[in-house]
Amino acid sequence: GAGVSQSPSNKVTEKGKDVELRCDPISGHTALYWYRQRLGQGLEFLIYFQGNSAPDKSGLPSDRFSAERTGESVSTLTIQRTQQEDSAVYLCASSSPKGGWDEQFFGPGTRLTVL
Amino acid sequence: AQSVTQLDSQVPVFEEAPVELRCNYSSSVSVYLFWYVQYPNQGLQLLLKYLSGSTLVKGINGFEAEFNKSQTSFHLRKPSVHISDTAEYFCAVSEALGGFKTIFGAGTRLFVKA
Repeated sequence: GAGVSQSPSNKVTEKGKDVELRCDPISGHTALYWYRQRLGQGLEFLIYFQGNSAPDKSGLPSDRFSAERTGESVSTLTIQRTQQEDSAVYLCASSSPKGGWDEQFFGPGTRLTVL
Repeated sequence: AQSVTQLDSQVPVFEEAPVELRCNYSSSVSVYLFWYVQYPNQGLQLLLKYLSGSTLVKGINGFEAEFNKSQTSFHLRKPSVHISDTAEYFCAVSEALGGFKTIFGAGTRLFVKA
């Protein structure tokens, strides 16, 4: 019974480089979320995938951010031309929506530092 | 659109004292409400939830929260805190019908002092 895993756990990159963050959800979970948590701040919703429906991208802060999900498994969050303000912990969560609500299970996060 | 406001960014409290962490939300539809906890260097985990029924819900570690529809609040309480309760607490809301997008508050850091 593995939980949600994320890789890498830490990523240091230079301004202007592209980065790719990976999330492996709990097997069988149809919903997957990405959040950003800046130092000392709350969770900022980025994007939500649910089954085969079109993803809810309403939280992506700019067109430099994109995410993909392969079926109901792995998801990757890509940040192009990284900026210093992109430095944050990026959290992934997955859930199995049922009965009208879902408990989200969170991964440990990827700490991104843009120099 | 939904929103969540956690009125206190930090709450220092002495061990064995009671604590209340405040949360207010806004939504034009029925909602589900949640409190998540993030212990130092750990991931978030669900503390308790309100879906329907009794407005007083109990969670893990002796925490409880009360849903007040007229005041659009969902405050978290514990009658006697322990050092181990030191953590970040997040209030969250999602629509009860259609969609599972969850909006989180900015978080309240509870710091329990000996």
